[in-house]
Amino acid sequence: QLQLQESGPGLVKPSETLSLTCSVSGGSISSRNYYWGWIRQPPGKGLEFIGSIYYSGNTYYNPSLKSRVTVSVDTSKNQFSLKLNSVTAADTAVYYCARQRATRDNWFDPWGQGTLVTVSS
Amino acid sequence: QSVLTQPPSASGTPGQRVTISCSGSSSNIGSNTVNWYQQLPGTAPKLLIYRNDQRPSGVPDRFSGSKSGTSASLAISGLQSEDEADYYCAAWDDSLNGPVFGGGTKLTVL
Repeated sequence: QLQLQESGPGLVKPSETLSLTCSVSGGSISSRNYYWGWIRQPPGKGLEFIGSIYYSGNTYYNPSLKSRVTVSVDTSKNQFSLKLNSVTAADTAVYYCARQRATRDNWFDPWGQGTLVTVSS
Repeated sequence: QSVLTQPPSASGTPGQRVTISCSGSSSNIGSNTVNWYQQLPGTAPKLLIYRNDQRPSGVPDRFSGSKSGTSASLAISGLQSEDEADYYCAAWDDSLNGPVFGGGTKLTVL
């Protein structure tokens, strides 16, 4: 059964870079049928797509975050990562990683449990 | 402000049928399929409906989805207390070239 697990610092200072890794187990990140995505949820608010990556390295990002986001993949470790620079308090959220169907249907399934990242000095 | 519009709340009594709407535009729901996610309190979202009306294995047939034009709906029949959760619709947006979500609907079972 495919499982995803986010990891990384739970506290980041304003103006610094948020870095998270998603470890995939029970399946290969090199599957041709899927992208691998990041989604976040500010406390008490809804879901926001951040960006996704294919095992080959092809990426696409939310236009509103594109200038600050980098998603990368390490197929040898079966992991993919998120970097969000110049963070502010508005970036405080639970960050989820998820497998994403590589078609325009693009559903996310399964999801990791999520990790809370707080931006504060 | 979410690209897809959902009512912020919905409610029903046990056994009742409730529907949650999701409104979009020609660049998202009007030209692509809709997915629905269920988020139980304190947990990660879970795929509930994909490709408008398909249920992943393990999802009860009490949950059903439909789409017409630029709107979609999630119906829950035989409402149960464990259905109390937040529900999100999502679809690919051709203009933004990425997936977009609705703002979510909090379902309360009275």
